Amino acid sequence: AQSVAQPEDQVNVAEGNPLTVKCTYSVSGNPYLFWYVQYPNRGLQFLLKYITGDNLVKGSYGFEAEFNKSQTSFHLKKPSALVSDSALYFCAVSSPPPPGGGADGLTFGKGTHLIIQP
Amino acid sequence: NAGVTQTPKFRILKIGQSMTLQCAQDMNHNYMYWYRQDPGMGLKLIYYSVGAGITDKGEVPNGYNVSRSTTEDFPLRLELAAPSQTSVYFCASSYSTSGREGEQYFGPGTRLTVT
Repeated sequence: AQSVAQPEDQVNVAEGNPLTVKCTYSVSGNPYLFWYVQYPNRGLQFLLKYITGDNLVKGSYGFEAEFNKSQTSFHLKKPSALVSDSALYFCAVSSPPPPGGGADGLTFGKGTHLIIQP
Repeated sequence: NAGVTQTPKFRILKIGQSMTLQCAQDMNHNYMYWYRQDPGMGLKLIYYSVGAGITDKGEVPNGYNVSRSTTEDFPLRLELAAPSQTSVYFCASSYSTSGREGEQYFGPGTRLTVT
């Protein structure tokens, strides 16, 4: 079974400082990795994904993430945090279907609250 | 485009009642999903559909049913509501030929309380 771990419930960063939100995963086969952001009382919004190719993926709002196969990690980063980046961030994983098929959809981590302090 | 729409936004049910959560998308996506979000637990997949007339169970399907008669609509039915079904429900859709690779577009959610 596939799984995602986000080890930090909350990350606090001062505005203008770099930020990192951590994610590690476990899948059979090649991973498809995603980051989503959720603002209060809203649905999730897609930020970026890694399917194949360059390990450094750039996404919306200046965010990027680095796929590290040896460490099974996909940490979300941004060079300079904004107060408006404060939200709940989810890492998610899927993978190619196994022989005989399997359930579709994403497996999500528990989420990390990112708080950017002015 | 309206994207993914969900109704109602809020609902309070008594134990044993039934209801249908509506979900519609106008992006001609073939893949659609229902998730539930419990506090501190991330999202869990309830059911999904790869096209009209085709549905399949996700991780937590017990107590729910779905149908997909059209590409646009994917309603979620709760029969005999239980307090354990108190949650926020999100519908999502995806355009990729493989639902596993494409980014998903989420609706605003339905907050359901069962008392």
